[in-house]
Amino acid sequence: EAEVAQSPRYKITEKSQAVAFWCDPISGHATLYWYRQILGQGPELLVQFQDESVVDDSQLPKDRFSAERLKGVDSTLKIQPAELGDSAMYLCASSLMGQGNTGELFFGEGSRLTVL
Amino acid sequence: DAKTTQPTSMDCAEGRAANLPCNHSTISGNEYVYWYRQIHSQGPQYIIHGLKNNETNEMASLIITEDRKSSTLILPHATLRDTAVYYCIVRGYYQLIWGAGTKLIIKP
Repeated sequence: EAEVAQSPRYKITEKSQAVAFWCDPISGHATLYWYRQILGQGPELLVQFQDESVVDDSQLPKDRFSAERLKGVDSTLKIQPAELGDSAMYLCASSLMGQGNTGELFFGEGSRLTVL
Repeated sequence: DAKTTQPTSMDCAEGRAANLPCNHSTISGNEYVYWYRQIHSQGPQYIIHGLKNNETNEMASLIITEDRKSSTLILPHATLRDTAVYYCIVRGYYQLIWGAGTKLIIKP
């Protein structure tokens, strides 16, 4: 069964360092999402791509976070510099279609970030 | 986008039906109700979704009230592996807005 791949699974970094997460969606899925999930809370959307274009990044802290999906396939989420409050699970999801549809989201296992 | 209200936690005996309620009183006519679950330290897993009619699949049943202001997810024969956080989400045009979900604990 096809899966969304994410790496690294765990990352420990010090405050002010740079960190990057990678996501490879299910083949053929045009829409890719990055979510942040703080312990005990539901996922919060950071950025949504439709192919290589950003369609929603309203909740992305753009002073330190960036995301790209250059060829419309895999994607990278970067944080620079990392802050203590960035400690969370970063989830990637993909779906066959985008906005205004009922497409199911498939999630990866997530990347757990700890900032010391 | 509409928001949902769910109990913080629930218990259910193994082998019994688990009924998880969700209130979405401000749902719009074209918004779907989705259910996902998240087992500890894993990514969320899709369970089921519906618009107006009741839905059933191999995992669960979804019962939506006639006025669409609430719904119930039913796990017919709960097992220990069903222990997870269950999220009820109303899907608008743009995105899924997640609440804190219901922590369901299945007890032997």
